Amino acid sequence: GNSVTQMEGPVTLSEEAFLTINCTYTATGYPSLFWYVQYPGEGLQLLLKATKADDKGSNKGFEATYRKETTSFHLEKGSVQVSDSAVYFCALSDNAGNMLTFGGGTRLMVKP
Amino acid sequence: DTAVSQTPKYLVTQMGNDKSIKCEQNLGHDTMYWYKQDSKKFLKIMFSYNNKELIINETVPNRFSPKSPDKAHLNLHINSLELGDSAVYFCASSPLASGSTDTQYFGPGTRLTVL
Repeated sequence: GNSVTQMEGPVTLSEEAFLTINCTYTATGYPSLFWYVQYPGEGLQLLLKATKADDKGSNKGFEATYRKETTSFHLEKGSVQVSDSAVYFCALSDNAGNMLTFGGGTRLMVKP
Repeated sequence: DTAVSQTPKYLVTQMGNDKSIKCEQNLGHDTMYWYKQDSKKFLKIMFSYNNKELIINETVPNRFSPKSPDKAHLNLHINSLELGDSAVYFCASSPLASGSTDTQYFGPGTRLTVL
């Protein structure tokens, strides 16, 4: 079956530091890959996505590249802000039923 | 306007009770979902409905019964609540029919606490 593994948190960074959250996946076929963000007390919001190999998703300074050869979709940001503090979920969606399979989530804490 | 809304936002109830959570989307989407997020933040699909028809049921106990009166609504009814049902339940919707992949839009969640 499909699975997503992401680094455990919490990840604690100072403002303006570089962020990487690792995500690897196992899936049959060619899934679409997503990063969702959950701010405290809120629901999930789509951050970015990529639908085929070598695609790069980007939004709000965050980027992730779909790497089929390493089955990875690592999330990066060059300079984090306090407002980026949230839980980040890597997910994949197969073509069978559009069912999202989530990773365990990584909590990011950015200190001023 | 809220795209995907859920009511109530918080629900506290006793073991053994029956409760419902409502979800509505005003995006005109064809497919709706229910997810459960446990205390460790793990998110897992429960159900998927496409045009009022059940598509996915991920080994959820029979005590959970989704109901879709129309394409814009997917309600979750839970019978005989147990302590382990305590979680945050998220509703979501996506524009395309089952068999395609597309972005899912999530509601704000309903925090269910079973005492």
